[in-house]
Amino acid sequence: DGGITQSPKYLFRKEGQNVTLSCEQNLNHDAMYWYRQDPGQGLRLIYYSQIVNDFQKGDIAEGYSVSREKKESFPLTVTSAQKNPTAFYLCASGRGVNTEAFFGQGTRLTVV
Amino acid sequence: AQSVTQLGSHVSVSEGALVLLRCNYSSSVPPYLFWYVQYPNQGLQLLLKYTTGATLVKGINGFEAEFKKSETSFHLTKPSAHMSDAAEYFCAVSELAKLTFGTGTRLTIIP
Repeated sequence: DGGITQSPKYLFRKEGQNVTLSCEQNLNHDAMYWYRQDPGQGLRLIYYSQIVNDFQKGDIAEGYSVSREKKESFPLTVTSAQKNPTAFYLCASGRGVNTEAFFGQGTRLTVV
Repeated sequence: AQSVTQLGSHVSVSEGALVLLRCNYSSSVPPYLFWYVQYPNQGLQLLLKYTTGATLVKGINGFEAEFKKSETSFHLTKPSAHMSDAAEYFCAVSELAKLTFGTGTRLTIIP
């Protein structure tokens, strides 16, 4: 099946720890995105990548880091610098400029 | 910079009634516009998209949207609501590589 796989679905971490969220796609898409979703705030763009080994900051990149070493993979690290990391994180991919994005099922991160 | 405003964070309609969800956008270039639906604890699913050409766009599940450049609007409609339409709906605008979403509208269907 073609699609976007995010893992794990639920993640619990202690405050002050870094955590990495996985995102893999087998759609052969060039572009990949990470969004954060909080109640009442919609989706906010964290990072996006149009091509392997290149990525750009979105609107709320502080406290997050990404890598794009392979076309299929775009992992997101939530660092201890992120002040309020508890949220629902969505990964997406697309064919590129001005095209729709296809979403994974999300990872719900809870920091305790 | 582009932006999207969705009027009404919550909308309730009776089953069988018209659904109207409002979206206004701001973009410095000709916009590419999208509507997505999200069910609880899931990712987003594309309902429909406007790129160029026909301003009335038909999507899945009986939804459609009309692009009105003069009003900078892209409202989503469905003639007759069904219980299965209860979900959260997001409007989005694409400007080059960046896809920006509105804050969403939660649609409730009253039996």
